[in-house]
Amino acid sequence: EDKVVQSPLSLVVHEGDTVTLNCSYEVTNFRSLLWYKQEKKAPTFLFMLTSSGIEKKSGRLSSILDKKELSSILNITATQTGDSAIYLCGRTGNQFYFGTGTSLTVIP
Amino acid sequence: NAGVMQNPRHLVRRRGQEARLRCSPMKGHSHVYWYRQLPEEGLKFMVYLQKENIIDESGMPKERFSAEFPKEGPSILRIQQVVRGDSAAYFCASSPGTPNGGNQPQHFGDGTRLSIL
Repeated sequence: EDKVVQSPLSLVVHEGDTVTLNCSYEVTNFRSLLWYKQEKKAPTFLFMLTSSGIEKKSGRLSSILDKKELSSILNITATQTGDSAIYLCGRTGNQFYFGTGTSLTVIP
Repeated sequence: NAGVMQNPRHLVRRRGQEARLRCSPMKGHSHVYWYRQLPEEGLKFMVYLQKENIIDESGMPKERFSAEFPKEGPSILRIQQVVRGDSAAYFCASSPGTPNGGNQPQHFGDGTRLSIL
């Protein structure tokens, strides 16, 4: 069974579009939710979310956690080709689980 | 400020050989995590270690796989008698010393690509 489910699996958008990536997780022993961007090498840390309803922002990226819905979204506004990557969502607790990722392709 | 260092970057082994993957955590980090990533799949947790202790190895196959994080030196993921299905990217991550490692982000190395011939 999947502990972390991400959607969509893949997404193709044009530069300038806004995208929303979804992540849902199991509640068992939940401690924090993490977002990473993975290009060709190491996943790069984006956000860690522990409190519900508090938006975290970094430039054009933002993320929020909804503990009631057991989900999180990652928003990217005014997308650029450099945003093309796989976005991974993971949760920590007693154990660590990552989703399969959303593959984002931004077309010029 | 060196990040998480993994070596080798690429490792080729024949079936039946042993593979040793090394991971040096970021400076000041005492928690190490190993993940496996297969093509088209996400990161699959394998094992979580602190210095000289295995905290959680629930994601690691019971046979042929072992991990250690000695007092001195890097963490080692060891795969004995490798098979074709072991071919994957193996990522190591580290985080600062926090109880249960749950409230600090993990920082990843560039991974080791293991290919089994």
